[in-house]
Amino acid sequence: GAVVSQHPSRVICKSGTSVKIECRSLDFQATTMFWYRQFPKKSLMLMATSNEGSKATYEQGVEKDKFLINHASLTLSTLTVTSAHPEDSSFYICSIFHVDEQFFGPGTRLTVL
Amino acid sequence: QKEVEQDPGPLSVPEGAIVSLNCTYSNSAFQYFMWYRQYSRKGPELLMYTYSSGNKEDGRFTAQVDKSSKYISLFIRDSQPSDSATYLCAMSVGNEKLTFGTGTRLTIIP
Repeated sequence: GAVVSQHPSRVICKSGTSVKIECRSLDFQATTMFWYRQFPKKSLMLMATSNEGSKATYEQGVEKDKFLINHASLTLSTLTVTSAHPEDSSFYICSIFHVDEQFFGPGTRLTVL
Repeated sequence: QKEVEQDPGPLSVPEGAIVSLNCTYSNSAFQYFMWYRQYSRKGPELLMYTYSSGNKEDGRFTAQVDKSSKYISLFIRDSQPSDSATYLCAMSVGNEKLTFGTGTRLTIIP
């Protein structure tokens, strides 16, 4: 099956700094990638749809200026959490859709101190 | 009302038992139904996928969909300790943008 990688797997940063998370599709070209956020004991919530070569589509309530998405190639999408605050601490997961299945990355755990 | 409701558990059963996991939904436009398994600090992995009412079996796993009642289930037979994980139901209208349940944390006791 498709393999999706994320980097880093874990990051701890100070409040006010920016953090970039990479999502790579290793087996397939992906014109669309999805970014999810998962708080402890909560469901995955779709944050945005990343579109290669165009602007991302954000879900209601997600600040596009805070969560910057860049989908510069068919295999790479990045999510930058700008001016991170403790409430942004969460598990961020990307996914790609191929044929009938959505393949998820291993996730990035962000802790903002 | 949430679009997808799932009992968060936790659920503990002895090894070998049959496990039943359930989700209800309110959006009648959902056409695709999935069950994912998520181990601690890992991304979800697809277990079962279906788009029609009825049962679908894959080894020890059976997915059941009842569109008229807006209810889906996942049954695990002969449960094993390695089945211990969080199980998430997910559904979509156009099989790309997924709406997840909260997940049920399952523990199989040896």
